[in-house]
Amino acid sequence: GDSVTQMEGPVTLSEEAFLTINCTYTATGYPSLFWYVQYPGEGLQLLLKATKADDKGSNKGFEATYRKETTSFHLEKGSVQVSDSAVYFCALSEDPGGYNKLIFGAGTRLAVHP
Amino acid sequence: GAVVSQHPSRVICKSGTSVKIECRSLDFQATTMFWYRQFPKQSLMLMATSNEGSKATYEQGVEKDKFLINHASLTLSTLTVTSAHPEDSSFYICSARTVLETQYFGPGTRLLVL
Repeated sequence: GDSVTQMEGPVTLSEEAFLTINCTYTATGYPSLFWYVQYPGEGLQLLLKATKADDKGSNKGFEATYRKETTSFHLEKGSVQVSDSAVYFCALSEDPGGYNKLIFGAGTRLAVHP
Repeated sequence: GAVVSQHPSRVICKSGTSVKIECRSLDFQATTMFWYRQFPKQSLMLMATSNEGSKATYEQGVEKDKFLINHASLTLSTLTVTSAHPEDSSFYICSARTVLETQYFGPGTRLLVL
């Protein structure tokens, strides 16, 4: 069945460092891909999404490109801030909006230090 | 954005007892609610989907008699773990949405069964 694999954390960075969190997927169809973020004590929030190959999702300085050839959707940010400390989840869905079943990776904890 | 709450945030119970977890959409009417479970260092896994006023649809491998889901109103769904055992200890997360809208997630409930 469909699955998502993302790099294990925690990832620890200094402020203004470059961030990459790797995510790869396995799917039989043509899924939509998502990144969710969970800040301490809060629910998961949609960070960005891409619905087809070569699409780039972006939000709050984060971006990820849907790479069908490598089945990847790596999350990047050029300069992280302390406020970016959170757990990041990669996910896929067979529907374009993630309205129904979402398949998640295990999450990657990011800690950014001043 | 839309807010989803869960209660309690954490619960400890004895083996053999039942535990009820509530999920509420605070500022919108949720036609559909989802329940996920996350074991340590593993992915969030969808357990079941419930539509208001209908029986829940459970994912393969999830025991419907053990995890009772009730979605009696457009703002409340409950998950009852019946006769809980230590292997049911996990992090339970709900999400909610209206028709063809993105899912909004609750902050999760940590269950520990002794």
